[in-house]
Amino acid sequence: GEDVEQSLFLSVREGDSSVINCTYTDSSSTYLYWYKQEPGAGLQLLTYIFSNMDMKQDQRLTVLLNKKDKHLSLRIADTQTGDSAIYFCAESITDSNYQLIWGAGTKLIIKP
Amino acid sequence: NAGVTQTPKFRVLKTGQSMTLLCAQDMNHEYMYWYRQDPGMGLRLIHYSVGEGTTAKGEVPDGYNVSRLKKQNFLLGLESAAPSQTSVYFCASSYSGDKPHHNQPQHFGDGTRLSIL
Repeated sequence: GEDVEQSLFLSVREGDSSVINCTYTDSSSTYLYWYKQEPGAGLQLLTYIFSNMDMKQDQRLTVLLNKKDKHLSLRIADTQTGDSAIYFCAESITDSNYQLIWGAGTKLIIKP
Repeated sequence: NAGVTQTPKFRVLKTGQSMTLLCAQDMNHEYMYWYRQDPGMGLRLIHYSVGEGTTAKGEVPDGYNVSRLKKQNFLLGLESAAPSQTSVYFCASSYSGDKPHHNQPQHFGDGTRLSIL
């Protein structure tokens, strides 16, 4: 079945770039999403990319999609303490309008 | 804009007690979802609804029931709470489906933290 995988933790120094990676198995995915969950809060949609794109940039965020390798990444430039959170990758699949397949989330830890 | 509102935010129950978690959305979304989040396991779908009056099972439905009597509300019930149901519960909603493959991100509430003793 469909699967989305992420590393559970990433540790970076404040001011460096963070790159959070995600791999997925369904080649028919349409949209891929990044969500952010701050401690004690719900999930917020951070950004998304349509499957016919290979890059999307939004201020400090850059999303890269490699469809051949089924690899998605989220780069956060100039990482700040406010970026500490869990980041979830999710994909929508073409045979379902409603279902998202979720990764387990990557906890981003910022070192001073 | 309220978005998705969950009540209550926190609850402690004793084993065997029952309770209902309420989710309300004001975005006129067709689809609604209940997830549970446990450490290291990401989000697991409990039940979902694709419209008023319809519900369906997700990945982990056992021990839970749901109802969608009104489009804006989605209720999650625990008939006889068990310690294994201690978790954080999230409700989400998304726009429907008359546009296949349309961008339909899910919008989340802030969660209900439930402890079963």
